[in-house]
Amino acid sequence: QQQVKQSPQSLIVQKGGISIINCAYENTAFDYFPWYQQFPGKGPALLIAIRPDVSEKKEGRFTISFNKSAKQFSLHIMDSQPGDSATYFCAASRTGNQFYFGTGTSLTVIP
Amino acid sequence: NAGVTQTPKFRILKIGQSMTLQCAQDMNHNYMYWYRQDPGMGLKLIYYSVGAGITDKGEVPNGYNVSRSTTEDFPLRLELAAPSQTSVYFCASRKTGEANYGYTFGSGTRLTVV
Repeated sequence: QQQVKQSPQSLIVQKGGISIINCAYENTAFDYFPWYQQFPGKGPALLIAIRPDVSEKKEGRFTISFNKSAKQFSLHIMDSQPGDSATYFCAASRTGNQFYFGTGTSLTVIP
Repeated sequence: NAGVTQTPKFRILKIGQSMTLQCAQDMNHNYMYWYRQDPGMGLKLIYYSVGAGITDKGEVPNGYNVSRSTTEDFPLRLELAAPSQTSVYFCASRKTGEANYGYTFGSGTRLTVV
C-alpha cells in the first residue's frame, strides 16, 4: 500500500512558468513532510520541508503548501528554470524513523 | 567532509551470488538507512539503524541483512542474489535530536542481477 501518493508522474513546463507537484497521504500521525530533488546519477537531496502546524513554507523559488484537513501537500516552483529539471520526491514521516516516499515526478523545464 | 560514501557505484552479480554494499558517513550521524529505488516506485526502506548495535527492518527487508558495529559504517548484505534485487541502492543518514529530519543521501550503488 502506497502511504504517499504523488502526481503527476511527469511534468513539462516552460522556462519562467510555475511547476506544481502534488502529494497525498493517509496516516494522520505523519509529522514531517520533506521534498527531495534528484538529478540523474545522484542521490536525492533535501530541498524543503514542512511540519503540519503551518500551511505554507517558502524558500526562495520553492514553496510547500500544506492542507492538513485534506491530507495533501504540494510543491510549487516559481519562475522554473532549466536547471530545475530533475526528479522530485515527496515524503512523509512520523518521528523521523521511517520515511515513506512518493513515486516521483520527472520535471522538464523547456528553455 | 565526504558526507555519505557508498561503494561500489556499479556491480553485476550472477543469480545466487552474495555481496556487501558498503556505506560510510563521517558526520557522526546516529541514524542510518538503506533504501532501494526502482523505476516508478519511489524509494523503499530496506533496513535502518538508530545507532551502533541497533538495527530494524523497513518495508522491504527480505533477502537482505545489515549490521552496525560502528557509528560510521552500515553495510548491506545480499545473500543469494535474485533478479528482483536489481535496483539502485541508496544509503542515507541523519542526525538525532534535530527538528529537521532531513537525510543526507549517498550517490547510490546500481546493482544488476543476471
